[in-house]
Amino acid sequence: GAGVSQTPSNKVTEKGKYVELRCDPISGHTALYWYRQSLGQGPEFLIYFQGTGAADDSGLPNDRFFAVRPEGSVSTLKIQRTERGDSAVYLCASSIDRNTEAFFGQGTRLTVV
Amino acid sequence: AQRVTQPEKLLSVFKGAPVELKCNYSYSGSPELFWYVQYSRQRLQLLLRHISRESIKGFTADLNKGETSFHLKKPFAQEEDSAMYYCALSGSGNEKLTFGTGTRLTIIP
Repeated sequence: GAGVSQTPSNKVTEKGKYVELRCDPISGHTALYWYRQSLGQGPEFLIYFQGTGAADDSGLPNDRFFAVRPEGSVSTLKIQRTERGDSAVYLCASSIDRNTEAFFGQGTRLTVV
Repeated sequence: AQRVTQPEKLLSVFKGAPVELKCNYSYSGSPELFWYVQYSRQRLQLLLRHISRESIKGFTADLNKGETSFHLKKPFAQEEDSAMYYCALSGSGNEKLTFGTGTRLTIIP
């Protein structure tokens, strides 16, 4: 598969637990983006990586959210002490660089109960 | 603050009729504007961006800086156009896209 892959596709967790969401970008894409989409809303920017570094993390809502991309490929979005308000679809996208088309994954639906 | 407004949550159009999906934006500077589409059970994908000035699947969009609008148009709707459409803007390239809330377009056969 040549597309952006996100795992798991669905995640149900209890309030207060820790979760990790994984994104496998298209091979060779240096730019990677995380978005969050709540019901009835458009995607909301979280963080943008260029290579291994977070070029812009201004969309992370608070310090419970953290993302890494240690080798410049796979990225993991980490959420500590989950809250019911964190329930949403988390989308990952990648692009060759910041100016070319970004390709989205199918998303991870996170439900906090 | 940057903002994208899509005033219509739902839009139904008969097959063969013209389509216009409205998008207005607020941004201090010169933004880049995009339209993204999500077909049923498929991923979000780029439809077009204003800097490329292309027509994709018969759709066009013109950036009107005076009216701060980027409406999406197609002269003759087709059934396969039924989808969710999102307007988005950025200050530069793909960085930090701001999306509207989307318009669900339904083409009536």
